[in-house]
Amino acid sequence: NAGVTQTPKFQVLKTGQSMTLQCAQDMNHNSMYWYRQDPGMGLRLIYYSASEGTTDKGEVPNGYNVSRLNKREFSLRLESAAPSQTSVYFCASTTGGAGEKLFFGSGTQLSVL
Amino acid sequence: EDQVTQSPEALRLQEGESSSLNCSYTVSGLRGLFWYRQDPGKGPEFLFTLYSAGEEKEKERLKATLTKKESFLHITAPKPEDSATYLCAVQSHLIQGAQKLVFGQGTRLTINP
Repeated sequence: NAGVTQTPKFQVLKTGQSMTLQCAQDMNHNSMYWYRQDPGMGLRLIYYSASEGTTDKGEVPNGYNVSRLNKREFSLRLESAAPSQTSVYFCASTTGGAGEKLFFGSGTQLSVL
Repeated sequence: EDQVTQSPEALRLQEGESSSLNCSYTVSGLRGLFWYRQDPGKGPEFLFTLYSAGEEKEKERLKATLTKKESFLHITAPKPEDSATYLCAVQSHLIQGAQKLVFGQGTRLTINP
């Protein structure tokens, strides 16, 4: 089982460039999430999709957009990258519901110069 | 606003030296407290969910406990392979079935042989 697959694993951008982080899960999960992880800050929710066809803002959505392409895929787009978006990005998925565990991808390390 | 604080930030133990990690939380209504393990360069991996004060769960050398204000992750006779960052998170409500977890900043545990 692949679980949650994220691409790319590493990316370096210049300020103002755009890019899309891809995420796909093969577990038939309803809900998908994008988090960023910064030293000393813990994981912070950027956007989430409760089910196919819906997306909503999390704690730190500014500068990002998302697309739930289908039940399997949830992408995160940076339209004009800024140095403050240098971080490690994690995609996660779950069946949904209270107490259900999240399954995380292996992360994308993004540097914005 | 939901908040999670983990302590200590880092802990170094000798192999076999038992200890505990702390997770203090404030939440409007707890629907689940989660523990995850994160190895360097990887996404978090689920360990436990606790739902109510007094609940305990065990897995190998790890035992998680929950009170109304905090959770402890007890590590008994740890081995070097237990070295990782341990993350705590709380869930206070669901949005259309999706979880909105608030994570602590993590405790980085190192077990020396």
